[in-house]
Amino acid sequence: NAGVTQTPKFQVLKTGQSMTLQCAQDMNHEYMSWYRQDPGMGLRLIHYSVGAGITDQGEVPNGYNVSRSTTEDFPLRLLSAAPSQTSVYFCASSYSAGLQGKLFFGSGTQLSVL
Amino acid sequence: DAKTTQPPSMDCAEGRAANLPCNHSTISGNEYVYWYRQIHSQGPQYIIHGLKNNETNEMASLIITEDRKSSTLILPHATLRDTAVYYCIVRVFSSSNTGKLIFGQGTTLQVKP
Repeated sequence: NAGVTQTPKFQVLKTGQSMTLQCAQDMNHEYMSWYRQDPGMGLRLIHYSVGAGITDQGEVPNGYNVSRSTTEDFPLRLLSAAPSQTSVYFCASSYSAGLQGKLFFGSGTQLSVL
Repeated sequence: DAKTTQPPSMDCAEGRAANLPCNHSTISGNEYVYWYRQIHSQGPQYIIHGLKNNETNEMASLIITEDRKSSTLILPHATLRDTAVYYCIVRVFSSSNTGKLIFGQGTTLQVKP
């Protein structure tokens, strides 16, 4: 039982490049979400999904796309990376949307955009 | 969801109990209190949650005041590995609640030898 797995752990991009941060969970959780964490800003919600085929925006969705084609996977896409997207990204899941309070987090992806 | 207030930092001696306070004076009757911690550079980790009664698990104890306006997370025998940022979050526990979980700034607990 791996829990929430994020790949890659580290990534350096040039401005304008695109990439996908991967997130997978093996707990059959309905709810999945992406947060970014910046110094002094705490954790901010980017996008979330309450089930396969359903996604919605969080606090800071601009510049990011998501899709949820399966229960297990919730990739985060940066279409044209900008230096402002330099951050640590965390994926999290919970059994259901109502049980968001008990989130399981991945180990994070540290992204630098030059 | 109700707002929470935590001290920005606290120290604790290794082996002693760490008591982390949280104020949530606007909490409503159906809101639970959740605690998480984040050890440097790792993802946040769920610790414990409660509604009214005191709760205990293998990691910590949660004491909620009778009026539910404040709570205290207790780490009974703090170790150096408990050094982390601790977040107190108040949230409705409902299958229909699809809103976001808000992490504030938390309390940085430094456990010292």
